[in-house]
Amino acid sequence: QVQLVQSGAEVKKPGASVKISCKASGYTFTNHYIHWLRQAPGQGPEWMGLITTSGGDTTYAQKFQGRVTLTRETSTSTAYLELNSLTFEATAVYYCTRSVGSHFDRWGQGTLVTVSS
Amino acid sequence: QSALTQPPSASGSPGQSVTISCTGTSSDVGLFNSVSWYQQHPGKAPKLMIYDVTKRPSGVPDRFSGSKSGNTASLTVSGLQAEDEADYYCNSYATNNNYVFGTGTKVTVL
Repeated sequence: QVQLVQSGAEVKKPGASVKISCKASGYTFTNHYIHWLRQAPGQGPEWMGLITTSGGDTTYAQKFQGRVTLTRETSTSTAYLELNSLTFEATAVYYCTRSVGSHFDRWGQGTLVTVSS
Repeated sequence: QSALTQPPSASGSPGQSVTISCTGTSSDVGLFNSVSWYQQHPGKAPKLMIYDVTKRPSGVPDRFSGSKSGNTASLTVSGLQAEDEADYYCNSYATNNNYVFGTGTKVTVL
């Protein structure tokens, strides 16, 4: 069955970086884009960007441009989200999701990133 | 890209219907028939309920329906059941290959 499995929770200090993984299984990885979303405590999801899994092209939401890097490794069917220069406001659950057309049909379980001094 | 506007809350008794609105602009909801709706229970990942404005994925009850008029999309849940109590978010494809989510609506089954 189709699954997206994300890496575990992270605790980081302000200014640090974090890299989260999202491993896909049960389908052809390069047939679907992977998107990343952030959900801060008590807030709704916020779209951060997408990566085309076949070519590796990226589109970022303006808010996250320059602060986020999306990559993928086709040999392992894994997508990555790297967040740089973390601030307290980056504390959130981060989700990967795959798109079919323009909707998101499968989701990872979420990765909690806590930024704390 | 600003978030789509949803009412913070909606409620109904079991068996009743609730309708949630999702208002965007002519650069997202009004321009594309690419509105989707997601249900999220506490501590869980969102679940796709409606896509392409009106389509229902396999396994989603036909109590859930979607529509759109101009810059506003709507989700209707008919025959409310206890398990429908959750947060609901709309999403739209937008210009410049962007996507935008709604502010979210908490549905309470009274």
